[in-house]
Amino acid sequence: QSVLTQPPSASGTPGQSVTISCSGSRSNVGSDSVYWYQQFPGTAPKLLIYRNDQRPSGVPDRFSGSKSGTSASLAISGLQFDDEADYYCAAWDGSLRVWMFGGGTKLTVL
Amino acid sequence: EVQLVESGGDLVQPGGSLRLSCAASGFMFSSYWMSWVRQAPGRGLEWVANIKQDGSEKYYVDSVKGRFTISRDNAKKSLYLQMKSLRAEDTAVYYCARMRDPGWGQGTMVTVSS
Repeated sequence: QSVLTQPPSASGTPGQSVTISCSGSRSNVGSDSVYWYQQFPGTAPKLLIYRNDQRPSGVPDRFSGSKSGTSASLAISGLQFDDEADYYCAAWDGSLRVWMFGGGTKLTVL
Repeated sequence: EVQLVESGGDLVQPGGSLRLSCAASGFMFSSYWMSWVRQAPGRGLEWVANIKQDGSEKYYVDSVKGRFTISRDNAKKSLYLQMKSLRAEDTAVYYCARMRDPGWGQGTMVTVSS
């Protein structure tokens, strides 16, 4: 009921850029904002991007979000080893009245 | 600084009940929708329920409907999750969260096992 589609894994080398996709439908990604969360092992998720492309205070501008139609993307430029984490997208589904999460993308910095 | 502190997690037998609490500080609690989100061991995030600012609207994921009840006390700046008829598949870390703004708690572990 509650899964947006993300790739299970992504990788890059330090300094490179990587993009993580998030696919939904008209009733969720297509009609509401997309949110991105970053989670390190054993810790709580942290809001990374809100309202599709806004960064909370303290989030480096290496992280950027975008949305087009029923898909969204998280881009990370200038990859650093500290970026190794799980990344989740989320959106409210106005038809089902539930929040939907993506399955999560494990980012590896090689 | 936004702070959300969960409590109440425990080991409980299948069929048992538990009440989780979340104490909020650092923001105007009564102005925000609040959610519970859970994460089973080694799994991804799953939204469980949310509640409107005044408590007049509540929504749940299908798997907990009829078993879990979300509530809030704005005077106490607290969010609650009453869980009953617990199942093994409810085993998870439960987070209190503002989905659209920065602020998640550290989580509280619920283990359902005999």
